[in-house]
Amino acid sequence: EVQLVESGGGLVQPGGSLRLSCAASGFTFSSYWMSWVRQAPGKGLEWVANIKQDGSEKYYVDSVKGRFTISRDNAKNSLYLQMNSLRAEDTAVYYCARDLDYVWGSYRSFDYWGQGTLVTVSS
Amino acid sequence: DIQMTQSPSSVSASVGDRVTITCRASQGISSWLAWYQQKPGKAPKLLIYAASSLQSGVPSRFSGSGSGTDFTLTISSLQPEDFATYYCQQANSFPRAYTFGQGTKLEIK
Repeated sequence: EVQLVESGGGLVQPGGSLRLSCAASGFTFSSYWMSWVRQAPGKGLEWVANIKQDGSEKYYVDSVKGRFTISRDNAKNSLYLQMNSLRAEDTAVYYCARDLDYVWGSYRSFDYWGQGTLVTVSS
Repeated sequence: DIQMTQSPSSVSASVGDRVTITCRASQGISSWLAWYQQKPGKAPKLLIYAASSLQSGVPSRFSGSGSGTDFTLTISSLQPEDFATYYCQQANSFPRAYTFGQGTKLEIK
């Protein structure tokens, strides 16, 4: 059974840092693009960042470029999101999500999601 | 950047009704469009990918269509468990960006 379990959320002051983790199991983690997607309270979904299977490519939404860093450790089946210079507008539930892939590429959608971890940025 | 606009923002319907939700892209995205269902306090669930492909395990009353800029999600006969919020998502410029629509809340009439 595919499982994605996020951790690391919590309350942090503006300007602070937090590192989110996502533990993956039930599939060959190193074979998939992985993403972080967030949802502010009462709002819609926003893709934050993704990372290629071997970590060689990483992409970010403009609002977090230069502040957030996505990474992965395939030996530990884990995905990470280092969040620095946090702002009130970063307050959200953060989900890790697996890309829906096929043999020759990606269907560019997310077939498995974690339960999410809440990040609250407030003084 | 490609913007996704869903309509309506909310809709009221009854069990057994046929419901259609529309998603429009600000520029052509071929068929790189997915639909998700989200219930309160839960993670989104993939329903449709590549505009019209039904994700494994999703009931056949859900269907998707469209290409280019205009897409629809249709639920042929609403069931009680279908009342939720639905999001479209595009990834035409994968892997550089994904964009979600603002969501459509489907409520019980």
